[in-house]
Amino acid sequence: AQSVTQLDSHVSVSEGTPVLLRCNYSSSYSPSLFWYVQHPNKGLQLLLKYTSAATLVKGINGFEAEFKKSETSFHLTKPSAHMSDAAEYFCVVTPSSGGSYIPTFGRGTSLIVHP
Amino acid sequence: NAGVTQTPKFRILKIGQSMTLQCTQDMNHNYMYWYRQDPGMGLKLIYYSVGAGITDKGEVPNGYNVSRSTTEDFPLRLELAAPSQTSVYFCASTRSSGNTIYFGEGSWLTVV
Repeated sequence: AQSVTQLDSHVSVSEGTPVLLRCNYSSSYSPSLFWYVQHPNKGLQLLLKYTSAATLVKGINGFEAEFKKSETSFHLTKPSAHMSDAAEYFCVVTPSSGGSYIPTFGRGTSLIVHP
Repeated sequence: NAGVTQTPKFRILKIGQSMTLQCTQDMNHNYMYWYRQDPGMGLKLIYYSVGAGITDKGEVPNGYNVSRSTTEDFPLRLELAAPSQTSVYFCASTRSSGNTIYFGEGSWLTVV
């Protein structure tokens, strides 16, 4: 079994300040973890993924996430928010091999960026 | 690379009509999925397939049907459309568990 909890439904930051979007997971298998971004009226785009290599993962547009097994977390961060970062962000978990064929999505976190 | 292609992008249906959302991928992926996303909500799995000829129900399959006659194509059929099926539909595919999931651009469906 696997599950994902995105701890905040909305996060509001000012442009130029750090971003933290929180994600906790549970998985019976060794997990693969992903963050996807969805801009308004668009599809989902991969930001970054963890697949049992380095625990600090760098993604596109300056985002990064750290896999912490002891805390079962995969929080997404960015040092300085841009207006263009305003979007919906989804944390996703799948088994790295075997187990369920079905990715499990978090409910999403809406990032609001103020000028 | 085309990736995952969905058609149509927008459609308005009348109650009781039927239609098919088309999805095709050119990455030779075994796993394909159909999700719906309601306003302000996450993604709910409708149906999925782990290979040609194999399909299974997801979380919200009622009112929908799928088929997977080829690796590339995974059409979603809406029978007797209802207002509750007004949503955005996403098709997705992946090579295998643990690999990147690729999404189509979405299909916006309104049932009136």
